[in-house]
Amino acid sequence: AQSVTQPDIHITVSEGASLELRCNYSYGATPYLFWYVQSPGQGLQLLLKYFSGDTLVQGIKGFEAEFKRSQSSFNLRKPSVHWSDAAEYFCAVSPPGGDYKLSFGAGTTVTVRA
Amino acid sequence: KAGVTQTPRYLIKTRGQQVTLSCSPISGHRSVSWYQQTPGQGLQFLFEYFSETQRNKGNFPGRFSGRQFSNSRSEMNVSTLELGDSALYLCASSLIGYNEQFFGPGTRLTVL
Repeated sequence: AQSVTQPDIHITVSEGASLELRCNYSYGATPYLFWYVQSPGQGLQLLLKYFSGDTLVQGIKGFEAEFKRSQSSFNLRKPSVHWSDAAEYFCAVSPPGGDYKLSFGAGTTVTVRA
Repeated sequence: KAGVTQTPRYLIKTRGQQVTLSCSPISGHRSVSWYQQTPGQGLQFLFEYFSETQRNKGNFPGRFSGRQFSNSRSEMNVSTLELGDSALYLCASSLIGYNEQFFGPGTRLTVL
């Protein structure tokens, strides 16, 4: 069965510092990979996605993620965080192709201190 | 383009009642998926509809059901509510051929 693991439940980072959120997946084949962000009381916003090709993908709000097949990982990074990046971040996978069912990790809450 | 809209945004019900939640997808999006988000179980897939047909279903009891209309709007229904059904219910829509889901703000259901 497929699974998504986000090892860090909570990360605190200083404003202006770099951020890296980890995501590992267990899947039969390389799935489609996504990162979503959720601000309090809001729905989910897609930050970036990986289907195939270049393993370093750029997203919105200055985020990027790197797919590493050998490590079954899809880690999210941002070089310099802003206070507005405080939110909960979810890694998700779906089967490759036309299946739209997303399986989510448990999420990582990011706190940004001044 | 307007985003995914969900109504109502907040709902309070008592055990044993039933509830219907509504979702209007982004214009042109014909796939609608529903997810349940709780602190204990996280985000879990409920079901997905395309062209008024359920294409995919998650591991939820039969009390959870849904449907989709010809204009792609979707509703989900939960019958015989239990306390554990308290959750944020999220709807997402997709353009067929593009495996990318756009989420609405959710409906917060509280069961007392």
